[in-house]
Amino acid sequence: SQQGEEDPQALSIQEGENATMNCSYKTSINNLQWYRQNSGRGLVHLILIRSNEREKHSGRLRVTLDTSKKSSSLLITASRAADTASYFCASRGSGNTGKLIFGQGTTLQVKP
Amino acid sequence: KAGVTQTPRYLIKTRGQQVTLSCSPISGHRSVSWYQQTPGQGLQFLFEYFSETQRNKGNFPGRFSGRQFSNSRSEMNVSTLELGDSALYLCASTLAGGPIDEQYFGPGTRLTVT
Repeated sequence: SQQGEEDPQALSIQEGENATMNCSYKTSINNLQWYRQNSGRGLVHLILIRSNEREKHSGRLRVTLDTSKKSSSLLITASRAADTASYFCASRGSGNTGKLIFGQGTTLQVKP
Repeated sequence: KAGVTQTPRYLIKTRGQQVTLSCSPISGHRSVSWYQQTPGQGLQFLFEYFSETQRNKGNFPGRFSGRQFSNSRSEMNVSTLELGDSALYLCASTLAGGPIDEQYFGPGTRLTVT
């Protein structure tokens, strides 16, 4: 399967704690994107990190990328109950393409 | 800017029928991709259209097809529906698919095949 992998599959934390999700992919990429999905709805774009970047921040989100290990991580700091959702990483291959290969997702539950 | 829109949002069809789903990308975006999401297989890429041409194709049978119009709107068609085609179908648009081009998804069409 071309699909990437994410771990953990499920994560449960208390409000205010940090949540870290990891993602691995299989082929060379031009970028990697993270998405959030609430209860089977559409995917909300969170952040894009290019293959030549190592770290990127957006608000309470911090994404790292290690192309030598073909892996990425998403850190959500000071989590809130509203962060409860499934999180997916999606890698885009080399060249211009709209094809994304998704990881299997991490289900995050943030308890109030 | 308006986001990606998909119609219809919900569909119930019978085995053997066919269905057409529609996607309108963000204004100015020329690439539209389609994905199928199921609990068992996760999010899987169906195909991508760019400037009215299919640029990429996933591993789905020929019953799944699509097209893109000159205004970048896209449709996907599934013929001879099977129970296993029940899924959330998502479309996404991006400017051209380059390294800095973010990809945005619509709300999806939930298809139930009975």
